[in-house]
Amino acid sequence: GAGVSQSPSNKVTEKGKDVELRCDPISGHTALYWYRQSLGQGLEFLIYFQGNSAPDKSGLPSDRFSAERTGGSVSTLTIQRTQQEDSAVYLCASSLGGGGAFFGQGTRLTVV
Amino acid sequence: RKEVEQDPGPFNVPEGATVAFNCTYSNSASQSFFWYRQDCRKEPKLLMSVYSSGNEDGRFTAQLNRASQYISLLIRDSKLSDSATYLCVVRQFSGGYNKLIFGAGTRLAVHP
Repeated sequence: GAGVSQSPSNKVTEKGKDVELRCDPISGHTALYWYRQSLGQGLEFLIYFQGNSAPDKSGLPSDRFSAERTGGSVSTLTIQRTQQEDSAVYLCASSLGGGGAFFGQGTRLTVV
Repeated sequence: RKEVEQDPGPFNVPEGATVAFNCTYSNSASQSFFWYRQDCRKEPKLLMSVYSSGNEDGRFTAQLNRASQYISLLIRDSKLSDSATYLCVVRQFSGGYNKLIFGAGTRLAVHP
């Protein structure tokens, strides 16, 4: 498709389990962002990839969170040993150069 | 102090009204500016870029004042479908990273 694609759209997991969230950016976009949004709250920056440069990980809330971007395209956000406070919508966005970013529909993560 | 500040609202206006949202940013090195809209339980969508000369897209007009570090969005002839949260977004180049910083959003409710 032409837009940013995220999978799964919904994920329910048990506390303590690991989860992987996937993002397929728009083809050719060099920048990729992960944000999360809790209900009724603003966007919280997690991590940013730009081309082949080292990612900006300054927003990751703990060492349970990690992300990779393979071949400058697909990205995976991994949350280890999930906690209830990790429940949120995880949003991925991509952009080309200095333009605006385009978001995927998000993954709604519920930790029970 | 937050890097991007917005009045959270809500702004409750009747159909046909003109409404203006303001946003201030703290980093004078900010490079580019955007308005996004976010509908309830949906991902943010790029509404328009903001240029120093001001720009218009139909009923929407955006303005940037770099000296005052101030961004505005004017919506004329409000429609019910304009009801959403409007996010002010700033792109900053810092430490080798090109970050997108989101404001917390201003909620607009247009009523009949």
